[in-house]
Amino acid sequence: AQKITQTQPGMFVQEKEAVTLDCTYDTSDQSYGLFWYKQPSSGEMIFLIYQGSYDEQNATEGRYSLNFQKARKSANLVISASQLGDSAMYFCAMREGSSGSARQLTFGSGTQLTVLP
Amino acid sequence: SQTIHQWPATLVQPVGSPLSLECTVEGTSNPNLYWYRQAAGRGLQLLFYSIGIDQISSEVPQNLSASRPQDRQFILSSKKLLLSDSGFYLCAWSAAGMSRGYTFGSGTRLTVV
Repeated sequence: AQKITQTQPGMFVQEKEAVTLDCTYDTSDQSYGLFWYKQPSSGEMIFLIYQGSYDEQNATEGRYSLNFQKARKSANLVISASQLGDSAMYFCAMREGSSGSARQLTFGSGTQLTVLP
Repeated sequence: SQTIHQWPATLVQPVGSPLSLECTVEGTSNPNLYWYRQAAGRGLQLLFYSIGIDQISSEVPQNLSASRPQDRQFILSSKKLLLSDSGFYLCAWSAAGMSRGYTFGSGTRLTVV
């Protein structure tokens, strides 16, 4: 079974509008972390936002927020006031287990976001 | 501040040739190190990770190997490249004991011809 599922291969949004990128995850661990990365056409992976499984508040970082619904095992990324520079591939990722060990990130297949002028 | 360096940025190699990709981290000690591969239009697949010198774990059995000869150096190698080894290779590091902070290098785009 897929550990991270991103069901939207591609998304379009009008500039200045908000957009939600979906991510669901599967784990039996109680302690885990959820990440979102942005990958522009240059290929670099840019960290956007992090949510720990025990965090009670939804994470926010500037125009990015993470809609964390633990019971539904979803961690959707919300980008407010989209900008043309937001056009990129977006990956959801999960780290299982405690943070004290070398726990690798498991990635979803990504969502290609295109912001329209 | 911590930085991660990965080179070369692009590489075109013939089938059957060897490969060596290098990744180094500066500004930290005893980092956890990772090699990922990304096929065109796909997500990232973990290849190897390391928690210390000469401590390498392989996630996917394949034509590649990894080594960590120094604390902050991680090398991805192959003795004979296959066409299927083409892809985008990313090195990453995380600090032991930290819940976040996976930082990626700029990647190497490998084309095997």
